[in-house]
Amino acid sequence: AQSVTQPDIHITVSEGASLELRCNYSYGATPYLFWYVQSPGQGLQLLLKYFSGDTLVQGIKGFEAEFKRSQSSFNLRKPSVHWSDAAEYFCAVGAYNQGGKLIFGQGTELSVKP
Amino acid sequence: EADIYQTPRYLVIGTGKKITLECSQTMGHDKMYWYQQDPGMELHLIHYSYGVNSTEKGDLSSESTVSRIRTEHFPLTLESARPSHTSQYLCASSDPGTGGPRELFFGEGSRLTVL
Repeated sequence: AQSVTQPDIHITVSEGASLELRCNYSYGATPYLFWYVQSPGQGLQLLLKYFSGDTLVQGIKGFEAEFKRSQSSFNLRKPSVHWSDAAEYFCAVGAYNQGGKLIFGQGTELSVKP
Repeated sequence: EADIYQTPRYLVIGTGKKITLECSQTMGHDKMYWYQQDPGMELHLIHYSYGVNSTEKGDLSSESTVSRIRTEHFPLTLESARPSHTSQYLCASSDPGTGGPRELFFGEGSRLTVL
């Protein structure tokens, strides 16, 4: 069965510092991987996705993620965090034979210190 | 900009009442989904639909029901609300492409509180 683990429930970083949010997945074949962001009281917005090809994926708002098959990971990174990046971040995985259904991780809440 | 709308955004209601959460999208997407999200927890799929007159239960058991009479509309109904139904409900849709999963477009959510 597919599963997604986000080991960090809450992370605090200083504005301007770099950020890495961890995501590990469990799936036998090549997964379809997504990162979403959720601001308070809002729905989820797609940051980036990986289906195949280049394992380093660029997304919106200056985010990127790297797919590492050997580590079953899809970590999200940003070189310099802005105060507006404070939000909840969700990693999700889908499978080719599961239609559009996605399995979500528990989420990582990001706080940004001035 | 995604065009998927949920109403109401917030609802506080007493036990035993019937409620319907509305979800509409203007993108012509065939696939629509309802996820349930408790604070600090992952999203759990409770219902999905791949087109008109098609509905399926998701991975998390739910006492709610859904219908899909029109492509753009995917309402969720609770016949008799209970405090255990208190949660945020997120509606999403995706385009009809074949093969693997596509991007999900989410509404802003309906936060339900049952007293």
